[in-house]
This record gives sequence, structure tokens and C-alpha cells, in this order.
Amino acid sequence: EAAVTQSPRNKVTVTGGNVTLSCRQTNSHNYMYWYRQDTGHGLRLIHYSYGAGNLQIGDVPDGYKATRTTQEDFFLLLELASPSQTSLYFCASSDALANTEVFFGKGTRLTVV
Amino acid sequence: AQKVTQTQTSISVVEKTTVTMDCVYETRDSSYFLFWYKQTASGEIVFLIRQDSYKKENATVGHYSLNFQKPKSSIGLIITATQIEDSAVYFCAMRVLYQGGRALIFGTGTTVSVSP
Repeated sequence: EAAVTQSPRNKVTVTGGNVTLSCRQTNSHNYMYWYRQDTGHGLRLIHYSYGAGNLQIGDVPDGYKATRTTQEDFFLLLELASPSQTSLYFCASSDALANTEVFFGKGTRLTVV
Repeated sequence: AQKVTQTQTSISVVEKTTVTMDCVYETRDSSYFLFWYKQTASGEIVFLIRQDSYKKENATVGHYSLNFQKPKSSIGLIITATQIEDSAVYFCAMRVLYQGGRALIFGTGTTVSVSP
């Protein structure tokens, strides 16, 4: 069973603060993704990567940076957090084939006060 | 534009009946892959079923099946003999070429409530 681990699971920060969300997958997958989930919007793609050092921009990238340091690790950075970034964040991974499923982590709930 | 649209926000059904939920998509790809995912009450997101665009047969897995109507760009999910545990949010998704790689884009989800 594919494993995607996110940390922390919950985070509260202040407006203007720095936050780093971490994700690790142990499946040797090429692709890793960051999504945010908000009521009425479903899952929206922030950034994704298809290998170490690679970064692709998603649908809602503003205010977010991401870095893929290794095949296993993908980080999402909020350098000046704003209340609008309060959300549930999911990391996911998959291999390169288009017909394969994407595996999700359990999510990180971020609150910016 | 590449887009996935789920217009049904919520559906309520009685246990052991069938529920059908809709999804339409837009893509410029000639070959594409459509997925349904389930988000449980705990927040966990799990893969349910996939339809490959080049296959004419509707995919079936357990009590989940798809109604694939390619000319209408439609991929409906059918759950037969529903159980209380089928209460969840169901997302339709499409794997697309996006910004040089392959990304999974989602609809907004349909909440299904199954009552006794």
C-alpha cells in the first residue's frame, strides 16, 4: 500500500508568519502534488513536481512556494501567511503513467489567525 | 480549458438503494483518464474507480460502476445497494497534461448521505 505522510497534521500560525508543510512518500513515485481543499471549491492544485528539483505551477499558486528536495520529500512554504490560506492541505503522489491512481496523505489543517 | 464539473452538491438516499451522481469534463487531449475518489468522514481520500477514454466498456469495481458517455463528455458514478458507510464526499477527477507534466484536476465534489 502506497504511503504518503504529512506533517504536521494541524498547525496554527499568525498572519505574516512562516509555515512549512512537509510531505514524504515512500513509494518511489515520480509525481508529488500539493492541493488545498475549501468548501465549495473541492481540491485545487497549488504546485506539483515530477522529480527532485522540479517544480510545476498549479491552479492556485499565489502566496505559496514549494520545493522537491528528494524523490521522497516535497515541501510547501507559506512565507507570509494570510487568513485566506486557512485551509485543509493535502499532499499526494503517483507514478508517471497517466492511468495510475494518485495516493493521498491524511491532510494538514492550517489555521492562520 | 481543461475542467471537471460536478453540479450536484448533495444527494440523500435510503440504504440499499442506488445513487447516481454526475460529472462532465472538458479536455483537449485525445486520450485521457477519468477517476472517482471518495473522501470519508475522517477526511481520508481514497481511489474508487477509473475509466480510460479509449475503452468503450463502462468500468465496474464491486458495487461502483461508471456511466461513460464520451460524446457528452460525461462520466457518472453509480453506487448500487448503498450502505451507511457509503456516506461521503465523492470527487470526479481527470488526469491531464498540465504545465509540462501530468496533474490530476478535480471537480467540487458531491456529498452523499445514506440513511437507514
